[in-house]
Amino acid sequence: KNQVEQSPQSLIILEGKNCTLQCNYTVSPFSNLRWYKQDTGRGPVSLTIMTFSENTKSNGRYTATLDADTKQSSLHITASQLSDSASYICVVSEDAGNMLTFGGGTRLMVKP
Amino acid sequence: DSGVTQTPKHLITATGQRVTLRCSPRSGDLSVYWYQQSLDQGLQFLIQYYNGEERAKGNILERFSAQQFPDLHSELNLSSLELGDSALYFCASSVGGGLSELYEQYFGPGTRLTVT
Repeated sequence: KNQVEQSPQSLIILEGKNCTLQCNYTVSPFSNLRWYKQDTGRGPVSLTIMTFSENTKSNGRYTATLDADTKQSSLHITASQLSDSASYICVVSEDAGNMLTFGGGTRLMVKP
Repeated sequence: DSGVTQTPKHLITATGQRVTLRCSPRSGDLSVYWYQQSLDQGLQFLIQYYNGEERAKGNILERFSAQQFPDLHSELNLSSLELGDSALYFCASSVGGGLSELYEQYFGPGTRLTVT
């Protein structure tokens, strides 16, 4: 069964600090992996989309990495801001193109 | 603002009833996706339409159905509602068609459904 596991489930950091969120998946055959940011009660917003041939992709202070061999991805947030407080969701697409599998998300709280 | 609109914002209804959720995609987008987000199951992909045709099907119950109209807006119909159907329902849109393709998906603000 295709699964996407995210860790940690929740994280509290101080403003200005860096953090790394993890995503492990068993989806096969793999097509692409997306990271989304979701503020409470709002729709997810795309941060990055990566294929198996991409190791790293950045979007401002957000940097995603992908290791297709170990089926692991990470999202690194640099110099966190209060507005980074949100849930971060990892989503993996099958190469067959007919299914998306979502991780349970990591809830990040950035404190002043 | 993503450019995707969803109505209504909130919906409260009783078990056994039927409701229709509506989504208008961003201008120029041909694909519409429906998602369900509940507290216990997180986000789940339900179904995708591309230019009026069903393109991909996820974990959509038989009690649920969707369609995309010629003007590209989409409706999600939920029938014989159960308490467990209470959730946030999101619609997203993209320019292109395939889940395995790299098109950006833009999410709407969601419809919060409460079944009592």
